[in-house]
Amino acid sequence: KQEVTQIPAALSVPEGENLVLNCSFTDSAIYNLQWFRQDPGKGLTSLLLIQSSQREQTSGRLNASLDKSSGRSTLYIAASQPGDSATYLCAPDNTDKLIFGTGTRLQVFP
Amino acid sequence: EAGVVQSPRYKIIEKKQPVAFWCNPISGHNTLYWYRQNLGQGPELLIRYENEEAVDDSQLPKDRFSAERLKGVDSTLKIQPAELGDSAVYLCASSLGAGRGSVYGYTFGSGTRLTVV
Repeated sequence: KQEVTQIPAALSVPEGENLVLNCSFTDSAIYNLQWFRQDPGKGLTSLLLIQSSQREQTSGRLNASLDKSSGRSTLYIAASQPGDSATYLCAPDNTDKLIFGTGTRLQVFP
Repeated sequence: EAGVVQSPRYKIIEKKQPVAFWCNPISGHNTLYWYRQNLGQGPELLIRYENEEAVDDSQLPKDRFSAERLKGVDSTLKIQPAELGDSAVYLCASSLGAGRGSVYGYTFGSGTRLTVV
């Protein structure tokens, strides 16, 4: 059974810092892995999708890497801004369904 | 493109009452999912549809929960009777074809926040 762990559980940083959010999963036989952002009281917004054959994906200030063999993915956020404040969830897909961790709650203050 | 549309956004009901949630996926998406998200937790899958067929409902509490996806488009999730522990956010997602190396990923709706009192 796939289990997903995200570290840290919460993070509070001043604006401008470069951030690293970690995700580990127990079953490395995944099809892909998706990173989402969730604002309070809202649904999930897809940030990046990494295929199992890929090592990384980039979108603007976001970069996600994937090391499938070790069961790890990392989300890098460059030059963080207050608008980045949200919960970030990673979700590997290996059985035609996403399995989620509990997320990293990020607060970026001015 | 309208995205995945869910209604209602919020629902407050008394325990033992029935409740229903509705989801309209992105046009052309044949795969539809219902997830439940408890406070402070990640979403957990309740049921997955491929077109109108429920292909994974192993996590659906079948004594009180039911779902349908008529004509392989819109879907309804029902709880009857509701219990206090059912308070959560119910999320619908759709995909062109998730898994098996799909490049498409999942798109989620805004969710329905259910409060059972």
